[in-house]
Amino acid sequence: DGGITQSPKYLFRKEGQNVTLSCEQNLNHDAMYWYRQDPGQGLRLIYYSQIVNDFQKGDIAEGYSVSREKKESFPLTVTSAQKNPTAFYLCASSIRGNSYEQYFGPGTRLTVT
Amino acid sequence: KNQVEQSPQSLIILEGKNCTLQCNYTVSPFSNLRWYKQDTGRGPVSLTIMTFSENTKSNGRYTATLDADTKQSSLHITASQLSDSASYICVVSAREVQGGKLIFGQGTELSVKP
Repeated sequence: DGGITQSPKYLFRKEGQNVTLSCEQNLNHDAMYWYRQDPGQGLRLIYYSQIVNDFQKGDIAEGYSVSREKKESFPLTVTSAQKNPTAFYLCASSIRGNSYEQYFGPGTRLTVT
Repeated sequence: KNQVEQSPQSLIILEGKNCTLQCNYTVSPFSNLRWYKQDTGRGPVSLTIMTFSENTKSNGRYTATLDADTKQSSLHITASQLSDSASYICVVSAREVQGGKLIFGQGTELSVKP
């Protein structure tokens, strides 16, 4: 069953703690992306990776970090430096770059108190 | 500045009725335009993707149109069902932009009532 998965569905953390969100895909896609979604706003790009061991900052990378050690996996760490981390986080993948259709995971809702 | 504007922000219709959602964009150079459906608390799912040369594309009861001259797109939903209640997101891809940057609209929240 091919697809893109994110875990956990809901995540709760105390302020000041780092937290890592998981994203895995078995679609054999080269490119992977992390977006943040806030109410009433369009999706905003945090980080993206077009190939293993390489990634670039998106529009709102401050306070986040990523790694791409395997083609299938693109975890996102929300650090304590992120001033407003509570949001819905979406991971996506595509065969290659932005001209190709992106497939989204089910999302992780992070709440930091 | 690359922008995608959607209207209306929200819409309520009765089951069985048709509706049309609008998307205006100022993205350049244009590569393609996509419509996604996002159920509450879920990830977006692709409905259609259209390139510069395509004027219309259908996916079941969903029909998207594109006017590249006026930089406008619409999504028409025919014979709406309760399951059509969702946010509909217009996304424009800029040609030859490095990496995976797309320009997202803020979405139209559609509610279908019985």
